[in-house]
Amino acid sequence: AQSVTQPDIHITVSEGASLELRCNYSYGATPYLFWYVQSPGQGLQLLLKYFSGDTLVQGIKGFEAEFKRSQSSFNLRKPSVHWSDAAEYFCAVGAEGSYDMRFGAGTRLTVKP
Amino acid sequence: DSGVTQTPKHLITATGQRVTLRCSPRSGDLSVYWYQQSLDQGLQFLIQYYNGEERAKGNILERFSAQQFPDLHSELNLSSLELGDSALYFCASSTGTYTGELFFGEGSRLTVL
Repeated sequence: AQSVTQPDIHITVSEGASLELRCNYSYGATPYLFWYVQSPGQGLQLLLKYFSGDTLVQGIKGFEAEFKRSQSSFNLRKPSVHWSDAAEYFCAVGAEGSYDMRFGAGTRLTVKP
Repeated sequence: DSGVTQTPKHLITATGQRVTLRCSPRSGDLSVYWYQQSLDQGLQFLIQYYNGEERAKGNILERFSAQQFPDLHSELNLSSLELGDSALYFCASSTGTYTGELFFGEGSRLTVL
């Protein structure tokens, strides 16, 4: 079965600074990869997804992620963080033909003024 | 607003009791997923239904059961509740075609005393 590791439980960045959230996955075949964001008191919202093709994918809110098969990684990046980006971020992995999506433990992002 | 409605938003009950959580998916979505989010376990996939039929099963306890009705709403039944069942329970829906985009409700927070 697929699994996801998010090594960073909590990250703090200053507003305007760049951001990279790490995600490593385990899956034997080509994974389907996702990043979701959860604001306090809210459900999860999809930021971006990767199925195939270009390994650099663009998402909403200025986020992007890069799929690196050799490193089994799918890191999320943003060039300039805004205070409204403070939230919990979840990486998830799925598989072709399967509806079973597994989520990482999440990374909580704090943005300093 | 994701279009997914969950009720109740908050629920407090005692150990040994039984509760039912309800989910109305987005209009037109055929798939419903249930997830449990707790501090120590993270976001755990419980079960998925597609057009009334169970499609995938995750870490769902035998004390828990779910169903999806002809009108596509779903219910998650939790019985013989234990303190450790206290968590946020999310419902998500998707079209049924595997795009990986799940639309999450705001969750039902269950507290077992």
